[in-house]
Amino acid sequence: AQSVTQLGSHVSVSEGALVLLRCNYSSSVPPYLFWYVQYPNQGLQLLLKYTSAATLVKGINGFEAEFKKSETSFHLTKPSAHMSDAAEYFCAVSDPRAANQAGTALIFGKGTTLSVSS
Amino acid sequence: NAGVTQTPKFRVLKTGQSMTLLCAQDMNHEYMYWYRQDPGMGLRLIHYSVGEGTTAKGEVPDGYNVSRLKKQNFLLGLESAAPSQTSVYFCASRPGQGFNEQFFGPGTRLTVL
Repeated sequence: AQSVTQLGSHVSVSEGALVLLRCNYSSSVPPYLFWYVQYPNQGLQLLLKYTSAATLVKGINGFEAEFKKSETSFHLTKPSAHMSDAAEYFCAVSDPRAANQAGTALIFGKGTTLSVSS
Repeated sequence: NAGVTQTPKFRVLKTGQSMTLLCAQDMNHEYMYWYRQDPGMGLRLIHYSVGEGTTAKGEVPDGYNVSRLKKQNFLLGLESAAPSQTSVYFCASRPGQGFNEQFFGPGTRLTVL
């Protein structure tokens, strides 16, 4: 069975500082991995996804993530935090074999709330 | 394109009342999902559908029923609401085979007193 662990339910950074949100996965096969962002009172928006192409994935709003198979990690980073980055971030995993199977859902981590102070 | 929309945005129920949450998508997606989001729990799958007229149970299906009579709509029903069903409910859709990305609606915040 697949699972996702997000280390740290709350991360606080100063504006302009590096953002690092940690995600580790468990999967019997190389997975597909996703980062979603949820702004207050809104739905989830896809930031970026890894689907077995390049291991360094660039997403929207200056975020990127690197797939490291040896560490079973997919950490999200941004070089310089902005106040508008304050939100909740979810890492999710999916079985690539399920891409051609009916009805496979994403498995989500519990989320990390990012706070950005000025 | 409105994407995925959900109705209503907010609702307060009393224990034992029933209600239906509506999800609609205009992207002609085959697969649709209902999740609930609780603090510190992430998103958990309630039910899903792989096409018109089909539904299946997810991780936490008890106390909920669903229907997909039309491809674009996916309804989530609570027959007898309980305080434990207080949550934020998200609908999502996915194009179909070969795609893993899901597109989410804005959510419905439900409180059961």
